[in-house]
Amino acid sequence: DQQVKQNSPSLSVQEGRISILNCDYTNSMFDYFLWYKKYPAEGPTFLISISSIKDKNEDGRFTVFLNKSAKHLSLHIVPSQPGDSAVYFCAASEGGSYIPTFGRGTSLIVHP
Amino acid sequence: SQTIHQWPATLVQPVGSPLSLECTVEGTSNPNLYWYRQAAGRGLQLLFYSVGIGQISSEVPQNLSASRPQDRQFILSSKKLLLSDSGFYLCAWNLDRADTQYFGPGTRLTVL
Repeated sequence: DQQVKQNSPSLSVQEGRISILNCDYTNSMFDYFLWYKKYPAEGPTFLISISSIKDKNEDGRFTVFLNKSAKHLSLHIVPSQPGDSAVYFCAASEGGSYIPTFGRGTSLIVHP
Repeated sequence: SQTIHQWPATLVQPVGSPLSLECTVEGTSNPNLYWYRQAAGRGLQLLFYSVGIGQISSEVPQNLSASRPQDRQFILSSKKLLLSDSGFYLCAWNLDRADTQYFGPGTRLTVL
């Protein structure tokens, strides 16, 4: 049973527009959420995170929104750039746990 | 600064052959260490994690094993590889529970 779901395997966006990547979770004990970015043949790199005490966190072009009642979070990239083309993984963890649970990833393609 | 190394970068092995993948972390002490696998079209699957020398927790029963002979060294092994062991193997580390994980560059394993 997947506790972290990224239902869109891929997303195509034009350069300069907004990219919205979605993530749903089922475990109400999750209280810390992360987004990782992964280029082919490389390890994932941390992008942005949010704690359950917040509903928004912003870092430059990247904003993560958390809707706890809906158990849903999203990553907004504005404006999208071709270099943003990568696989984005959503991850969630419980307080005190060593182990984040990852979604299956969404492949973002930003067209020039 | 901390760095994480994995080798080899790519590996092609016949079915039934042994496997040894190595991961080392520099610039920190007593890290939590993790082995993940990303199979084709799948997300990141946690295989093993370790919170200290000689302490290994297995998340998925399989023909793989892990060992931590030194504080900053984590080894993934198999006595006999299966076709289903093909994938992209990632090592990761962090210091604190639920902290951001930092991933290595990965090893692409192809079992023929």
